[in-house]
Amino acid sequence: NAGVTQTPKFQVLKTGQSMTLQCAQDMNHEYMSWYRQDPGMGLRLIHYSVGAGITDQGEVPNGYNVSRSTTEDFPLRLLSAAPSQTSVYFCASRATGGSYNEQFFGPGTRLTVL
Amino acid sequence: GDSVTQMEGPVTLSEEAFLTINCTYTATGYPSLFWYVQYPGEGLQLLLKATKADDKGSNKGFEATYRKETTSFHLEKGSVQVSDSAVYFCALSVQMSGGGADGLTFGKGTHLIIQP
Repeated sequence: NAGVTQTPKFQVLKTGQSMTLQCAQDMNHEYMSWYRQDPGMGLRLIHYSVGAGITDQGEVPNGYNVSRSTTEDFPLRLLSAAPSQTSVYFCASRATGGSYNEQFFGPGTRLTVL
Repeated sequence: GDSVTQMEGPVTLSEEAFLTINCTYTATGYPSLFWYVQYPGEGLQLLLKATKADDKGSNKGFEATYRKETTSFHLEKGSVQVSDSAVYFCALSVQMSGGGADGLTFGKGTHLIIQP
């Protein structure tokens, strides 16, 4: 089991460029989510998905798009990068059902927008 | 909305000292409570959890008790080590009506530094 994997580890973009952060999990988890981590802000939820074909917005969705065509993959797209999107991005997944299921986090993508 | 407040650091302690990191929360419904740890350059790992009032979560010498009356979930360890240096996040998750749990709401994190 690789768990939750993210690529790339580091990325530098210029303002206005687009890119996709990749996230994949091999645990057959229905629930996947994206967070951003900023100094002094903790982690904030960007988007989440409860299964293939279903996505919804979290706390800070503006400037980001997601899609979920398979159970395994949940890419995050920046259509026109802005300096305010400089952050560390974490993908997470968990099983659904039951009273609680642990969330597993990927190693993160450190993004800098110049 | 739901929120988590935890003491901000950095918190600097000597090895073998007693550790307390305070965490309080506000939530609708009945939250589950968690402590996550992030070592330098890594993602978050679940350290411990408690899913109902008076539950005590424990792992690797760390403990936290779910106190509903004070809406708190303070993290404690009796004797810290240099290897405990990391950022610690308190978090909550509210159970959805259909089962399972909603997304996590995090505190801002506490940077813990343990000196030899």
